[in-house]
Amino acid sequence: QVHLVQSGAEVKKPGASVKVSCRASGYIFNTYTIHWVRQAPGQRLEWMGWIHPGSGNTRYSENFQDRVTITSDTSASTVYMDLTSLRSEDTAVYYCAREYRFLPAFGPWGQGSLVTVSS
Amino acid sequence: ETVLTQSPGTLSVSPGERATLSCRASQTISNGYLAWYQQKSGQPPRLLIYGASSRATGIPDRFSGSGSETDFTLTISRLEPEDFAVYYCQQYGTSPFTFGPGTKVDIK
Repeated sequence: QVHLVQSGAEVKKPGASVKVSCRASGYIFNTYTIHWVRQAPGQRLEWMGWIHPGSGNTRYSENFQDRVTITSDTSASTVYMDLTSLRSEDTAVYYCAREYRFLPAFGPWGQGSLVTVSS
Repeated sequence: ETVLTQSPGTLSVSPGERATLSCRASQTISNGYLAWYQQKSGQPPRLLIYGASSRATGIPDRFSGSGSETDFTLTISRLEPEDFAVYYCQQYGTSPFTFGPGTKVDIK
């Protein structure tokens, strides 16, 4: 059974960075693209970017182009999302999700990681 | 960027009744790459429908999707108590992949 397990909640000050992890199990890690999606309070889901662990290829939403970096550690079957220059508007639940049948519909999802940005 | 709008914002339905949710795109979604998700409070979204009309693994057949180009529909034929949730559409035909604002289905 495919499982994505994310790191815990974080509280950060404005201007800081946060790194959220997503450990995958139940399938061949290098085969499927992993995406990151966030959900701010009262806002719609927002796609941030993806990585294909097998190739290392990445693509980011222009909304986050300069601030987000997605990496992977194939030996640990883990993907990381690094977001810099945090501001209060970045307070959100961050999700990783695997592509479904090699297309960027998302399933399954990790449980979510709450990142709170507050001074 | 493809903007998705969903209607209605909230749908009040009695258990056993039919629910019809709409998703409209600002431009044609290529290849019918439209997905539907269900989200309950405190949980991540769950994929229901992909490719506009294909049910994901394990999804009951009371959920069905239809539509093409810019107009898509999710139908829940007979609402069960566990179906009361928020439903999102998402397009993955063009990057950036975008989501609609959601339709909340609540108990009438």
